[in-house]
Amino acid sequence: AQSVAQPEDQVNVAEGNPLTVKCTYSVSGNPYLFWYVQYPNRGLQFLLKYITGDNLVKGSYGFEAEFNKSQTSFHLKKPSALVSDSALYFCAVLSGAGSYQLTFGKGTKLSVIP
Amino acid sequence: DAGVTQSPTHLIKTRGQQVTLRCSPKSGHDTVSWYQQALGQGPQFIFQYYEEEERQRGNFPDRFSGHQFPNYSSELNVNALLLGDSALYLCASSLGRWEGPTEAFFGQGTRLTVV
Repeated sequence: AQSVAQPEDQVNVAEGNPLTVKCTYSVSGNPYLFWYVQYPNRGLQFLLKYITGDNLVKGSYGFEAEFNKSQTSFHLKKPSALVSDSALYFCAVLSGAGSYQLTFGKGTKLSVIP
Repeated sequence: DAGVTQSPTHLIKTRGQQVTLRCSPKSGHDTVSWYQQALGQGPQFIFQYYEEEERQRGNFPDRFSGHQFPNYSSELNVNALLLGDSALYLCASSLGRWEGPTEAFFGQGTRLTVV
């Protein structure tokens, strides 16, 4: 069975500082990894994905994520946080070809303090 | 280009009743997945419809059923509602053929409250 862990319920960061939101995963095959963001009373918006290739993936709104196979991690990063980045962030995994079920972590609330 | 649209946005039902939620996928998408997001939790996969058939199902009871129409829109039906069914129900659309994993696009959700 596949699973995703987001060890931090909340991350606080000052505006302009770098941010990291952590994610680790467990799958039986090659992982396909995604990050989504959710604003209050809204659906999820896609940020970026890792399929194969470069371990550093760049996505929307200046976000990037680093895939680390040995640590089974896929941490979300941004060099300089904005107040508008405050939201709920979800990491998700697909467990290889033929799997259509996205498994999500429980989410991390990011608060960027002005 | 319209994204994924869901209706209604909010719904209040009584225990034991039945409910139907609706979803229209993003233009060009042929696959619809449904997720349940309880308060403070990540979305949980209910099932996915492709070519008008349920292709994969998560760990949800048979009270949860669905349908996909020839225009790719979809319905989620929940029978015999329980208080624990109260949640945000999210619809996601994507491309169905496996040519590599593609990102799913989500609607704004339907907030279901069971009283």
